Order: sequence, then structure tokens, then C-alpha cells
Amino acid sequence: RKEVEQDPGPFNVPEGATVAFNCTYSNSASQSFFWYRQDCRKEPKLLMSVYSSGNEDGRFTAQLNRASQYISLLIRDSKLSDSATYLCVVNIPDDYKLSFGAGTTVTVRA
Amino acid sequence: EAEVAQSPRYKITEKSQAVAFWCDPISGHATLYWYRQILGQGPELLVQFQDESVVDDSQLPKDRFSAERLKGVDSTLKIQPAELGDSAMYLCASSFARSNTEAFFGQGTRLTVV
Repeated sequence: RKEVEQDPGPFNVPEGATVAFNCTYSNSASQSFFWYRQDCRKEPKLLMSVYSSGNEDGRFTAQLNRASQYISLLIRDSKLSDSATYLCVVNIPDDYKLSFGAGTTVTVRA
Repeated sequence: EAEVAQSPRYKITEKSQAVAFWCDPISGHATLYWYRQILGQGPELLVQFQDESVVDDSQLPKDRFSAERLKGVDSTLKIQPAELGDSAMYLCASSFARSNTEAFFGQGTRLTVV
């Protein structure tokens, strides 16, 4: 089983729509979770950390479900500029490393 | 805003040649990562340093790849000899501490082996 798995998409949504997707992780001891955004042929950039209580940053909301071992990202009122690949990142405590999912592609159309 | 610096941005090399990439992490970041990313996939960790020490190089193809961070600051990743399958984006990232804190990426080096 992969350490971090994501639905690759693509999620193709109209401007103004809400889109949500999940990421599952295999190591129940993981403590740190992040969402990164990556534009085509660019470097990943930190979008937000994911806290146990869930957190919101403008139109973006992240949730953590420890019992089912998944995190989610919800984007409200989608903008064209939200088109990107969203990478889920989870720490692997035994190895002291960060493990990346393969990414979920979101395309927002006019 | 502090950034991770990488060079070169682009590199084209012939197979069997040697190639090297350089990374300067954010000042004060003890942890430095080298990742390789193939188009359509997530970044794959090649090597992780804590200060000058390698803490994980389990996925580094050691017959041809080497990495060093001699003074615990900047780092060099080398490939010798390069193979066609090495064509990818090579990303350097740094973080303040090991794994529990977010990592910040440089712009990457896009390598094409011909």
C-alpha cells in the first residue's frame, strides 16, 4: 500500500463551483499534514497545513479525519487561477521524512 | 521573503556525461531534501540531510548519484553518468526541522538527457 494516495482527477469545474477531494495515508502515527499547490512545470508551494481541528484559509478548507486516515481539501467559489495540481503531504514519523501523493489535478473553466 | 535557491534552472546533457545541481536552502534550515519529479507524478525523495549528515538516501541510485552538504548549508547533487531515464525535474527543499514542519521548495532544475 502506498504511503499517500490521492484521486488523480482531473476535476473539471466551472468558475464559482465548489470542489473537494481527499487524500488517504497509511501510517497511523503520522502527525503532520500539508496541502501543496503545484502549477504546471513549477515547484510545489505550500498552500496550507492541516490541523486536527480543521482549518480554513479564505476559500480553502482543510479537514483531518484520523479515524479513517484521510485529509480533505475543499475549494469554494473556484477561480480560474485555482487550476493546478494539489499535492497531499504527510510526515512519516519512523523515517523522519515527508511523503508526497501523486497529486490531484483541478481545472476551473470559464 | 527567504527562498531556496537552485541552479541551473535548465540543463541539457548527453547520456553518459556528468551533471551537477546546486541548492542553497533558507538560512537557518537544518533539513535539506533533494526530490526528483517525473511529469505527472509526485516528488520522490532522493536524499535528506540533517545539517551535514545524510539521514535518508534509501531511494538514491548510489551507483550513479551522489549528494553532499559538506558544511551543513548548501548542497550539491551529482549524476555520473547520466542516463536517458534521469530526465526529470530535480527539486531541492528545506525545512526548519525534520519532517514535522513544512518544507519550502526551490524553483527546481529541469534536466533533459539526450
